[in-house]
Amino acid sequence: DQQVKQNSPSLSVQEGRISILNCDYTNSMFDYFLWYKKYPAEGPTFLISISSIKDKNEDGRFTVFLNKSAKHLSLHIVPSQPGDSAVYFCAAGSSQGAQKLVFGQGTRLTINP
Amino acid sequence: DAGVIQSPRHEVTEMGQEVTLRCKPISGHDYLFWYRQTMMRGLELLIYFNNNVPIDDSGMPEDRFSAKMPNASFSTLKIQPSEPRDSAVYFCASSFAGMGQPQHFGDGTRLSIL
Repeated sequence: DQQVKQNSPSLSVQEGRISILNCDYTNSMFDYFLWYKKYPAEGPTFLISISSIKDKNEDGRFTVFLNKSAKHLSLHIVPSQPGDSAVYFCAAGSSQGAQKLVFGQGTRLTINP
Repeated sequence: DAGVIQSPRHEVTEMGQEVTLRCKPISGHDYLFWYRQTMMRGLELLIYFNNNVPIDDSGMPEDRFSAKMPNASFSTLKIQPSEPRDSAVYFCASSFAGMGQPQHFGDGTRLSIL
């Protein structure tokens, strides 16, 4: 029972273009969402988050969009840089769930020069 | 500032042996989480603590797994006896209390059971 799904295991984007990573969830109780970035042999690093009261949150090159009716969120990276090559995880939590997060399977992003 | 510190970074041991993984959370954080990452199951939550008290251990796979948090700056995850299927990367994370507070991860322990 995968409550958080990242359907694309991998994505390849040219340097300078936009990278769009997608995530779907099934549990209506989720009311906040986070994106993490992971390099090999390191732990996931927090990137950006969004609460369900918003539909967009922006931080520099990173923007997260939330579509509650579709139970879908996406992470946009503009412009993409070689250092963005990593595995990206989306995670979802519920204010009723006492800090627990449910993670997606991850999408491996490769930025080509 | 020091992040979450895990030790050892790598552990290779034979089936049947006891394995102890260690974690030092970020000072001041109220929550501590243990995760396991495998190719098949991704990143799954094993157990988490709030103010040193275990809150939810429903993700612990079997009685062979146990976790303790004797004080605010130290936690252990123990596997006894270990089995080859326990081979995975184990992550510890910590966070402040509050909705939306991000969890901060250590660099993990790569465990191989032969």
